[in-house]
Amino acid sequence: EPEVTQTPSHQVTQMGQEVILRCVPISNHLYFYWYRQILGQKVEFLVSFYNNEISEKSEIFDDQFSVERPDGSNFTLKIRSTKLEDSAMYFCASRPGTENYGYTFGSGTRLTVV
Amino acid sequence: GQQLNQSPQSMFIQEGEDVSMNCTSSSIFNTWLWYKQDPGEGPVLLIALYKAGELTSNGRLTAQFGITRKDSFLNISASIPSDVGIYFCAGPPAYNNNDMRFGAGTRLTVKP
Repeated sequence: EPEVTQTPSHQVTQMGQEVILRCVPISNHLYFYWYRQILGQKVEFLVSFYNNEISEKSEIFDDQFSVERPDGSNFTLKIRSTKLEDSAMYFCASRPGTENYGYTFGSGTRLTVV
Repeated sequence: GQQLNQSPQSMFIQEGEDVSMNCTSSSIFNTWLWYKQDPGEGPVLLIALYKAGELTSNGRLTAQFGITRKDSFLNISASIPSDVGIYFCAGPPAYNNNDMRFGAGTRLTVKP
């Protein structure tokens, strides 16, 4: 069964440092997403990406965040200057582009900012 | 932003009992989705609903898309220990079918 792959599974970084979270979506999917889940809380939408550009972003996705699909395979989330409150699980998801049930989530990257 | 109100927040039940949780919104949805999240994992789709009034089962799980299109419920019958986890309702905002928002989740604990 096709999977969404995320690396690393766990990242520890110092406050103020830049981090890049990587995702490999399912190969024939067209829509890509990043979600965040702070420990014990709900899954929050960050950004959606289609046709090589951001289609929508939430209020959480401020100027410190950016996304890229550099090579047609990887889909990355960059956090420029991490803050303590950025500590969370970050989930990548993708879907084929036809119906919403096709969302597939990766296993997540646990980001810890110290 | 689009709000999904999910209840209850948590449930503690005995193995073998039935479980019911629900999700409501002030806005109309065209799709309702129910996900389960195990610790340290991403959400996994359980059931997808596409039409008002639709009732769909997946093993011991049954979900319904409310007639008003503003609510949905999920039932789990004869719970077992591996049902433990967080259950999320989700759906795309009516104004934008390309995105999906989650409810706050129902944390289920099943005692053997």
